[in-house]
Amino acid sequence: DAKTTQPNSMESNEEEPVHLPCNHSTISGTDYIHWYRQLPSQGPEYVIHGLTSNVNNRMASLAIAEDRKSSTLILHRATLRDAAVYYCILRDRDDKIIFGKGTRLHILP
Amino acid sequence: DTGVSQDPRHKITKRGQNVTFRCDPISEHNRLYWYRQTLGQGPEFLTYFQNEAQLEKSRLLSDRFSAERPKGSFSTLEIQRTEQGDSAMYLCASSISDRANTEAFFGQGTRLTVV
Repeated sequence: DAKTTQPNSMESNEEEPVHLPCNHSTISGTDYIHWYRQLPSQGPEYVIHGLTSNVNNRMASLAIAEDRKSSTLILHRATLRDAAVYYCILRDRDDKIIFGKGTRLHILP
Repeated sequence: DTGVSQDPRHKITKRGQNVTFRCDPISEHNRLYWYRQTLGQGPEFLTYFQNEAQLEKSRLLSDRFSAERPKGSFSTLEIQRTEQGDSAMYLCASSISDRANTEAFFGQGTRLTVV
């Protein structure tokens, strides 16, 4: 079963920042926090991952709470192309990747 | 390298027929995953391989399902005696290792329709 909890859906206006929350209260010390997104009619694609420290890449930023029981994916300036389902996943070594239901992000023009 | 390739992209079959899907992972990726996804749901884990070894099969994978990865390269997923409930998108993914800090790359999937 998925070890994370996410809101079912969120809305945001185009060109505004988006904060997608994820709760993972049972996270273990060796779990990495991964985010994937799935655009309509496509396979999932990797967005970002982190362990303890906040992370930035060209797609997004990942803010990890100090106790690691929650994290937030930040899209700094949403575009219509960012409309997708976003999945927050915990991964440990040798672990299969288990998806939950994710958050469906709607971008309003 | 063009990424993870899945073939065919679409398959329509009659109930009771057997179907086989192929997945070509990214070169030198040791780990390969299979998932099934139905409309409105997240991908459901089916099975995964480390090189040619099948590590685990989900309880979702009934006896009608079998997966192989000969020589640790491409993989096939076969469904025997298909049922209408097998209609779904079948996704394949690969990653370079089993380390938790590596990303997985997904194919575009094979959409199966059982009529």
